[in-house]
Amino acid sequence: SQTIHQWPATLVQPVGSPLSLECTVEGTSNPNLYWYRQAAGRGLQLLFYSVGIGQISSEVPQNLSASRPQDRQFILSSKKLLLSDSGFYLCAWSVRSASLNQPQHFGDGTRLSIL
Amino acid sequence: AQSVAQPEDQVNVAEGNPLTVKCTYSVSGNPYLFWYVQYPNRGLQFLLKYITGDNLVKGSYGFEAEFNKSQTSFHLKKPSALVSDSALYFCAVSDDTGGFKTIFGAGTRLFVKA
Repeated sequence: SQTIHQWPATLVQPVGSPLSLECTVEGTSNPNLYWYRQAAGRGLQLLFYSVGIGQISSEVPQNLSASRPQDRQFILSSKKLLLSDSGFYLCAWSVRSASLNQPQHFGDGTRLSIL
Repeated sequence: AQSVAQPEDQVNVAEGNPLTVKCTYSVSGNPYLFWYVQYPNRGLQFLLKYITGDNLVKGSYGFEAEFNKSQTSFHLKKPSALVSDSALYFCAVSDDTGGFKTIFGAGTRLFVKA
């Protein structure tokens, strides 16, 4: 069966520090991968998605970046965190498909607090 | 452009009563519709989807959803609510016009009282 792992579960970082959140998927190949941010336990904001190694699309311009160094690894980074980067970050995967008729499967998230 | 609306911020029901969580959508092409549930400090869990076919879709944990094309709605239902159903529910939509973006609603908090 497929599983998705995100770490760390919680993170407290000072303003201006760098960030690296990692997400890995097991049990599937060539997945679509996604990073979302959820503010205040409500709606999801799509940050990045990837349809293959090295292929990253950004939805919201900001000081975050994403990379996909391996097929089932997706990394969210920042060189310099802002207070507004606080939130709950969720990674998700879906089966590679020509259409968006496949559901997404989410990790348990990272709660990021910026001080 | 795609959009999805969940008009109720919170739904309160008594245990054993039927529940409905509402969702309406707008897409350019044919819709793909999903429901997810989120428990505290967890990721979203997929409940069910509508792609094509029967308008009544059955999913996990006894949930079902009714697709209504004329009303552009996809309401989530359960005949008998459990206290353990209390959670945050998200409706999501994509379509067949291409691209890789699924739009999520703002979420509806379901509270089931014993």
